[in-house]
Amino acid sequence: DAGVIQSPRHEVTEMGQEVTLRCKPISGHDYLFWYRQTMMRGLELLIYFNNNVPIDDSGMPEDRFSAKMPNASFSTLKIQPSEPRDSAVYFCASSLGGKNTEAFFGQGTRLTVV
Amino acid sequence: GESVGLHLPTLSVQEGDNSIINCAYSNSASDYFIWYKQESGKGPQFIIDIRSNMDKRQGQRVTVLLNKTVKHLSLQIAATQPGDSAVYFCAENTGSGDKLTFGTGTRLAVRP
Repeated sequence: DAGVIQSPRHEVTEMGQEVTLRCKPISGHDYLFWYRQTMMRGLELLIYFNNNVPIDDSGMPEDRFSAKMPNASFSTLKIQPSEPRDSAVYFCASSLGGKNTEAFFGQGTRLTVV
Repeated sequence: GESVGLHLPTLSVQEGDNSIINCAYSNSASDYFIWYKQESGKGPQFIIDIRSNMDKRQGQRVTVLLNKTVKHLSLQIAATQPGDSAVYFCAENTGSGDKLTFGTGTRLAVRP
């Protein structure tokens, strides 16, 4: 397996534009996590899914952020409209089971909003 | 005002020496812990995990120690190599749900 695949690797966009980040989890993994990493706040969990269903979105910063998982092999994180403070590295991770199992991370998407 | 970022503690070790990276956790209900390694420009990579019913677990060149009494976790790396240079994170599952909560990280710098 190629691991968790994220696209794009880098995204530069203007403030106010819509941004969509994409993730393909490892095949067979039932859990998918979206994290955000910044110098200010470190690595924060935004939302996670189990069997394509959102379980906990308490980490989503505000209504401008939304995430979907239409099937077991694809998830998106959308920011609309984007703001400069959204600039960060966004990671997707997946795991075989949820509790007490390791999560495998993708390479991340570095988002810069100017 | 000027923004202040997280201050990552840095551990500098000589190549070949042993490294010990420490982590304090806050939730006594946490029952599963993982150490991740993150190299520049990459995602966190799993190193080793430990469940709360254990106090020690060994892998290849790495050992994790768990002290539940003082809520402390440590990662020991034997014979540290230049390739070990990275930021190391401890993560805990607090027992509620399936999510991992990450610490702020420690930067390991290996001197040749």
